[in-house]
Amino acid sequence: EAGVTQFPSHSVIEKGQTVTLRCDPISGHDNLYWYRRVMGKEIKFLLHFVKESKQDESGMPNNRFLAERTGGTYSTLKVQPAELEDSGVYFCASSRTSGRPEQYFGPGTRLTVT
Amino acid sequence: GEDVEQSLFLSVREGDSSVINCTYTDSSSTYLYWYKQEPGAGLQLLTYIFSNMDMKQDQRLTVLLNKKDKHLSLRIADTQTGDSAIYFCAVAYSSASKIIFGSGTRLSIRP
Repeated sequence: EAGVTQFPSHSVIEKGQTVTLRCDPISGHDNLYWYRRVMGKEIKFLLHFVKESKQDESGMPNNRFLAERTGGTYSTLKVQPAELEDSGVYFCASSRTSGRPEQYFGPGTRLTVT
Repeated sequence: GEDVEQSLFLSVREGDSSVINCTYTDSSSTYLYWYKQEPGAGLQLLTYIFSNMDMKQDQRLTVLLNKKDKHLSLRIADTQTGDSAIYFCAVAYSSASKIIFGSGTRLSIRP
């Protein structure tokens, strides 16, 4: 079974530009989560999809961030326009809707805004 | 909100046991996790424990939970150089809810 994949692995953009991160969850996992770790601090929750619906987006920092999950499969996270404080590592995770608590994480996308 | 605290660094001698400690604030946390992040890699789920359990053992890993003190620990027996990584303590309220992480403990192994 393939794990959670994320693309790109690293992105360097200038302040004010737009970046789109992609996450492909484990096949069959209805739950998809986005997290980020900024400046070596704690890993913080951003939002949670159940299939194509946003279940919890309480962690989204502001309206510069837009997450979508087309058809309940892969998800994208767009940052527009990017600011310096958006630099960090963005993780995606997925889990089954079976009552089991395991969330499996992808390798992350390192975003650097200059 | 929930707060998860853990020390930032731990250094142990190869072959010794490592004990990484964590405290959390919300007693309604149902699932308590340990994740491992090796350099350049993603987060690997090591193990988790339900809040109604006191201990869970899995090969070299032992998780102890003191619910009264809201204290979670991870013991790694016979620590090896491959155990060098950042270990994250984390909690969740339900099986599908968001996970709340600590800052991570960097474990280094000395010969």
